[in-house]
Amino acid sequence: QVQLQESGPGLVKPSETLSLTCSVSGGSISNYYWNWIRQPPGKGLEWIGYIYYSGSTNYNPSLKSRVTISVDTSKNQFSLKLSSVTAADTAVYYCARQGYLFKPLGDWGQGTLVTVSS
Amino acid sequence: QSALTQPASVSGSPGQSITISCTGTSRDVGAYNYVSWYQQHPGKAPKLMIYEVSNRPSGVSNRFSGSKSGNTASLTISGLQAEDEADYYCSSYTGSSTPVVFGGGTKLTVL
Repeated sequence: QVQLQESGPGLVKPSETLSLTCSVSGGSISNYYWNWIRQPPGKGLEWIGYIYYSGSTNYNPSLKSRVTISVDTSKNQFSLKLSSVTAADTAVYYCARQGYLFKPLGDWGQGTLVTVSS
Repeated sequence: QSALTQPASVSGSPGQSITISCTGTSRDVGAYNYVSWYQQHPGKAPKLMIYEVSNRPSGVSNRFSGSKSGNTASLTISGLQAEDEADYYCSSYTGSSTPVVFGGGTKLTVL
């Protein structure tokens, strides 16, 4: 059974860059789409973007100018960078696996809370 | 504002059935049979309950069922149990530059 684990700083200062990594265990990162989703406290889910194991990416247009998702197949990891953060970026950030673009997000990490505050 | 519209809350008594609706457009829910439903308990990650409108992943109770008519998908939970109390989110494939869209979520209260 594949497991996903998010890691990274829990506190980021305004205007700085949020950086998170999702480590994949129990399965290969190959042949899947790897997504980032976030959930502000008390609010709903927002899709941030995905990366295919080969490196192709797609981002939510509302965040596209600030988001970069990358993959390291040698480490079975993929990462999220969100620049110029504000308090509105405070959220629980989840990574999730998807078999194909129209497939469901079948496996999720436990999530990590990132707070943007000085 | 979420791309898909769900009621903010629904409630039911143990043993009863409830249905949660998810309304989209002809560009997402109405266009594809790729609607998913996720259950989220407080402090936990979402869990896939239904995929491709009406399919249940292995291990999900058959008390959970899904359907779709036009631009509206529905999740029905029969024989409500206390453990079903959670937030439920629908999601649809869109085929656009934003392939994944979510509903705003529905809080289910088991009375």
